[in-house]
Amino acid sequence: IAGITQAPTSQILAAGRRMTLRCTQDMRHNAMYWYRQDLGLGLRLIHYSNTAGTTGKGEVPDGYSVSRANTDDFPLTLASAVPSQTSVYFCASSKAATGELFFGEGSRLTVL
Amino acid sequence: GQNIDQPTEMTATEGAIVQINCTYQTSGFNGLFWYQQHAGEAPTFLSYNVLDGLEEKGRFSSFLSRSKGYSYLLLKELQMKDSASYLCAVRDGDYKLSFGAGTTVTVRA
Repeated sequence: IAGITQAPTSQILAAGRRMTLRCTQDMRHNAMYWYRQDLGLGLRLIHYSNTAGTTGKGEVPDGYSVSRANTDDFPLTLASAVPSQTSVYFCASSKAATGELFFGEGSRLTVL
Repeated sequence: GQNIDQPTEMTATEGAIVQINCTYQTSGFNGLFWYQQHAGEAPTFLSYNVLDGLEEKGRFSSFLSRSKGYSYLLLKELQMKDSASYLCAVRDGDYKLSFGAGTTVTVRA
């Protein structure tokens, strides 16, 4: 089934640990995004990539890094997790920077 | 960045009409989107406006006034399955998409 796959679906992590959330899409979309969703705050953009090989910072990039080595994959890394990074993380993609976003099913991360 | 405001909650009766307003301030504008999100699920695309006016898609319509920084989503003939959160999102001059906090709509029988 075409779409966006995120892994893991859910994870509990000790503070200070390194964690990578994986995101893969098979729609050959150029643009990809990482958002976090917290109650009352909505979706906030962490990092984005308009095309393979380029990345940009969103609204809340601190503590996170991304890479876009190819069109399909856009991993999000937390170098040293902190409790405030407890959230639901959504990866999304769009055909072009102007297009609608398609979302993955989300990764629920709890940092203790 | 963007400042996107929408009501937190709305309640309506099955079969009725509900209008969800969204106001925004943005540096540059490249379109306004509405998404639907059921509890525990990913957001799904509902509508897109880039020019002023009304876009109709079945029971859902979306309106945009760029000069007023205003949009609304109109849900007609409400059904129980329409109970969800509705997210207003604005694409800025750098093509980044920012979301409002969402409006939770509860449909009652």
